[in-house]
Amino acid sequence: SQTIHQWPATLVQPVGSPLSLECTVEGTSNPNLYWYRQAAGRGLQLLFYSVGIGQISSEVPQNLSASRPQDRQFILSSKKLLLSDSGFYLCAWSGHQQGRGNTIYFGEGSWLTVV
Amino acid sequence: GQQLNQSPQSMFIQEGEDVSMNCTSSSIFNTWLWYKQDPGEGPVLLIALYKAGELTSNGRLTAQFGITRKDSFLNISASIPSDVGIYFCAGPLGYSSASKIIFGSGTRLSIRP
Repeated sequence: SQTIHQWPATLVQPVGSPLSLECTVEGTSNPNLYWYRQAAGRGLQLLFYSVGIGQISSEVPQNLSASRPQDRQFILSSKKLLLSDSGFYLCAWSGHQQGRGNTIYFGEGSWLTVV
Repeated sequence: GQQLNQSPQSMFIQEGEDVSMNCTSSSIFNTWLWYKQDPGEGPVLLIALYKAGELTSNGRLTAQFGITRKDSFLNISASIPSDVGIYFCAGPLGYSSASKIIFGSGTRLSIRP
């Protein structure tokens, strides 16, 4: 069966420091990968979307970046964090089901607090 | 860009009440997904709908794929405290297996004290 894991689960970082959140998927190949951010009590904001290695679509202008160095690995980074980067970050994957629409599955989430 | 309009934004219910929420779009979708998110966790898939008119149940939850393919409904019968959370509808943009999946803004369900 497929699993998705992201880490770290919680992170407290000072303003201006770098960020690296990592996500891996097991049990499937060539997944679509996503990074979402969720402010407290709010909806899901799509940050990045990837359909393959090295193929990253940025949905919202920001100081974050994403990379996909391997098929099932997705990394969210920042060189210098802002206070507004605080939030709950979710990695997700979807497959390639023939004849049916995709279903998306989420990781456990990572809480980032920028202080 | 395309978006899913989810309503209501929030609702307060008495335990035991039935709950209804819906999701609409200006575009046709070939798949409708409903998720529930508990505090501090990632959303979990509740029901997936793949065919216009389809009615699918998962325990006390029932979801329907609207016949116009532009809307979907989620009903919860006889609500209990663990139903509290945020419910999201979602669907893929396009028919390709690489289609991006977008989400509604969510319906926050709370139990009235």
